[in-house]
Amino acid sequence: GAVVSQHPSWVICKSGTSVKIECRSLDFQATTMFWYRQFPKQSLMLMATSNEGSKATYEQGVEKDKFLINHASLTLSTLTVTSAHPEDSSFYICSAKGGFTEAFFGQGTRLTVV
Amino acid sequence: AQTVTQSQPEMSVQEAETVTLSCTYDTSESNYYLFWYKQPPSRQMILVIRQEAYKQQNATENRFSVNFQKAAKSFSLKISDSQLGDTAMYFCAFGHQGGSEKLVFGKGTKLTVNP
Repeated sequence: GAVVSQHPSWVICKSGTSVKIECRSLDFQATTMFWYRQFPKQSLMLMATSNEGSKATYEQGVEKDKFLINHASLTLSTLTVTSAHPEDSSFYICSAKGGFTEAFFGQGTRLTVV
Repeated sequence: AQTVTQSQPEMSVQEAETVTLSCTYDTSESNYYLFWYKQPPSRQMILVIRQEAYKQQNATENRFSVNFQKAAKSFSLKISDSQLGDTAMYFCAFGHQGGSEKLVFGKGTKLTVNP
């Protein structure tokens, strides 16, 4: 299957700072990328959908000013958690879709805000 | 809105035996996709099997097969000859047909394969 790389795998940041997570499709062009959040022992909750070259579509209840998503190219989408707080600590997973029936997932990023 | 329900939070099976994980969903659409994803301790989401709703034939992938009952909106996963490496969280997911649609996940079933 296609490969999606997410970076970093884990990150610790101080409260009030911003952190950027990258999601890259390595061997295909991703017209759409999805960002999910997964709390411990829970399911994946979609945060937003991003299409290359256009603004992201956020799910209800997701603060778009806190979770900035950029999909500037067909192989890269970024999620920036701005002014992070401990409650933003979570596991963030991206997936990318482009011409296939299914989306392919990155390996996830564990964010810890201290 | 679509919903996906996995009624078994945890299951266990002996190695080499067969286990079935349940999934039901709710949708008003007639054409869609259903997926089973595996999430091992590494937390990498791995596609196990996919079913197109318009296909009556149940999908199979080696030891994994599904029982797709469209009228009942049921989509169970059967794992035959269970292996220790099958130990993981299993998520059932609903996807719209065509385009770049998002997935709706169930809450997951934690499967443990015992030696």
